[in-house]
Amino acid sequence: DGGITQSPKYLFRKEGQNVTLSCEQNLNHDAMYWYRQDPGQGLRLIYYSQIVNDFQKGDIAEGYSVSREKKESFPLTVTSAQKNPTAFYLCASRNSDTAGNTIYFGEGSWLTVV
Amino acid sequence: KQEVTQIPAALSVPEGENLVLNCSFTDSAIYNLQWFRQDPGKGLTSLLLIQSSQREQTSGRLNASLDKSSGRSTLYIAASQPGDSATYLCAVLTGANSKLTFGKGITLSVRP
Repeated sequence: DGGITQSPKYLFRKEGQNVTLSCEQNLNHDAMYWYRQDPGQGLRLIYYSQIVNDFQKGDIAEGYSVSREKKESFPLTVTSAQKNPTAFYLCASRNSDTAGNTIYFGEGSWLTVV
Repeated sequence: KQEVTQIPAALSVPEGENLVLNCSFTDSAIYNLQWFRQDPGKGLTSLLLIQSSQREQTSGRLNASLDKSSGRSTLYIAASQPGDSATYLCAVLTGANSKLTFGKGITLSVRP
């Protein structure tokens, strides 16, 4: 089945560690996105990419990094510079050729700092 | 900067009631507006997408309307059921870089 796969579902990070969240899509979408969701805060955009080997910062990019080496993959690294990383992380994708295309989300990854 | 507001943050209704969820946005230069459903601990599922040139979209018991000039959208749920209990988010697509801006969502509880 076509869709977006995020892994792991649950991840624990120690202070000072970098961790990477995986996002893979087989929908042949060109645009991919990473959002962070905190209770009562809604979704906030971290990074997005519209083509391979190109990406742009969103509203809260500090302490995060991404890469887009393949069309189907958009991993997010949460670095030790992110001081409050405990949150629910959502990856999404869509075809950006027209504005009428729906955005699809993965099932999310929970990151907790221990 | 686009801002999306959804009020109230939570709503509780008895089963069978028709209800309206509201969404407002500050910049009317949008490409489209989407309504999503999110169950606890899960990703978002798209319910309806309204393009900027459209006034409404319908899917089953759901109807979404868009008034771009006033910066408002409503999601109408007919004959609500306990299975409709979830958080409903609206999002607008703006800008040449296709940025999607979300509201904080409305958590709906439908009581049996």
